[in-house]
Amino acid sequence: SQQGEEDPQALSIQEGENATMNCSYKTSINNLQWYRQNSGRGLVHLILIRSNEREKHSGRLRVTLDTSKKSSSLLITASRAADTASYFCATDAGYSTLTFGKGTMLLVSP
Amino acid sequence: EAGVAQSPRYKIIEKRQSVAFWCNPISGHATLYWYQQILGQGPKLLIQFQNNGVVDDSQLPKDRFSAERLKGVDSTLKIQPAKLEDSAVYLCASSLRQGFYEQYFGPGTRLTVT
Repeated sequence: SQQGEEDPQALSIQEGENATMNCSYKTSINNLQWYRQNSGRGLVHLILIRSNEREKHSGRLRVTLDTSKKSSSLLITASRAADTASYFCATDAGYSTLTFGKGTMLLVSP
Repeated sequence: EAGVAQSPRYKIIEKRQSVAFWCNPISGHATLYWYQQILGQGPKLLIQFQNNGVVDDSQLPKDRFSAERLKGVDSTLKIQPAKLEDSAVYLCASSLRQGFYEQYFGPGTRLTVT
């Protein structure tokens, strides 16, 4: 079963705009990770946030985690056409076993 | 450093045939994973190895799927016999060890069962 559920399923924006994707999950987690997948580079790790962290930044990425609401968000600032991809959240309840959601398809138009 | 290698990249077989996939993880990575990704969905973990021991195979259909990791390095995933619903991309990933470590994914093998 897939624990993480991303929202929206698809998102279309213009270059330079910000993109926000949300992830909800059902059970307690050890950490939550975000991955990007496109046809050119396969599945690539973006960022990991531990259950005791509330916010984390990496370049143009900002991830928040609210364990009381069992939700996370991924913000991509100043989007580029190269950010076009599917984005997945993956939860780790322990032992590094990841459960992926169905993903958000992001389209960034020039 | 070299990434996770997988072969073949594509495979087409008929139902009830058998197929095997090979994975070579990043050197020094103790943990290896096999995932199944059906079109339009996220990857689903099939099996996780720590060195050459199985950590989690709760979602592996053991009546038809098998996997091994000899000597704690390379791994093979086998399907016998294949069903139409096994059509998917099979991804191999590795990480340094269990814990707060990212997983590195290979390019995957796209399997089509006709």
